[in-house]
Amino acid sequence: EAQVTQNPRYLITVTGKKLTVTCSQNMNHEYMSWYRQDPGLGLRQIYYSMNVEVTDKGDVPEGYKVSRKEKRNFPLILESPSPNQTSLYFCASSERGPNEKLFFGSGTQLSVL
Amino acid sequence: AQSVTQLGSHVSVSEGALVLLRCNYSSSVPPYLFWYVQYPNQGLQLLLKYTSAATLVKGINGFEAEFKKSETSFHLTKPSAHMSDAAEYFCAVSGYGNKLVFGAGTILRVKS
Repeated sequence: EAQVTQNPRYLITVTGKKLTVTCSQNMNHEYMSWYRQDPGLGLRQIYYSMNVEVTDKGDVPEGYKVSRKEKRNFPLILESPSPNQTSLYFCASSERGPNEKLFFGSGTQLSVL
Repeated sequence: AQSVTQLGSHVSVSEGALVLLRCNYSSSVPPYLFWYVQYPNQGLQLLLKYTSAATLVKGINGFEAEFKKSETSFHLTKPSAHMSDAAEYFCAVSGYGNKLVFGAGTILRVKS
C-alpha cells in the first residue's frame, strides 16, 4: 500500500532534549516536505527536499534540521526543543514537487514541556 | 510570492444544504490551486486541483471548485452536504518554485 509513515504518533518531551521524528515513503517520490499545523494558522512549511541530498528552508525553519540521505527517508530533527515547538507535525511527499498531489502522513503530536 | 485567505474559520450547514467554502489567493504567476481535506486525527487528503485545463474542477466526494481569475478566487462547493463531510478544509496555492502555501483552514460542521 502506498503510504507515508511517520513515527512516533505522539511525543512528550522536555525543553532541550534532542529528538527526531522519522518519515518514510514507499512510493519512490522525489519531493518530501515537513509542515507544522497550529490552530488558526493552517499548515506552515518547515523544510522541503527536491531529491536526495537536496534540502531547503520553508517558511518556519528556525529550530529544526533535516537530512535526505536516502530517497525514502526524511527525518525531522529538533536539537534543542522549546515549548513554542509544541505542535502537530506532518510529513508529505509527491512524485516531483509541490505542484502535484501531496501524500500526507498521519501526523506527530509533539508536546515540549 | 503566493498567499491564501480562507474566509470563515468555521462554517455550519444543515445536512442536504449547499456547502460553500471560500478561498481567495494571491500569486504573481499563474497558480496551481488545491483543496485538501483533513478528517479528525488524520493527515490531509487531496480533494481537487486546478491546473488551468478547465476553470471548473470536479473532485472527490461530490465537491467541485471554480477558478475565477478576475476575482482571484477558488471557492469550494458541494450541492448537498452529508454528515460525513464534517472535517477541516484547506485551500493551498503554488506557483513557480518549490513552495506550497496553505490557508488557515475552515472547519465544516454538518447539522442533522
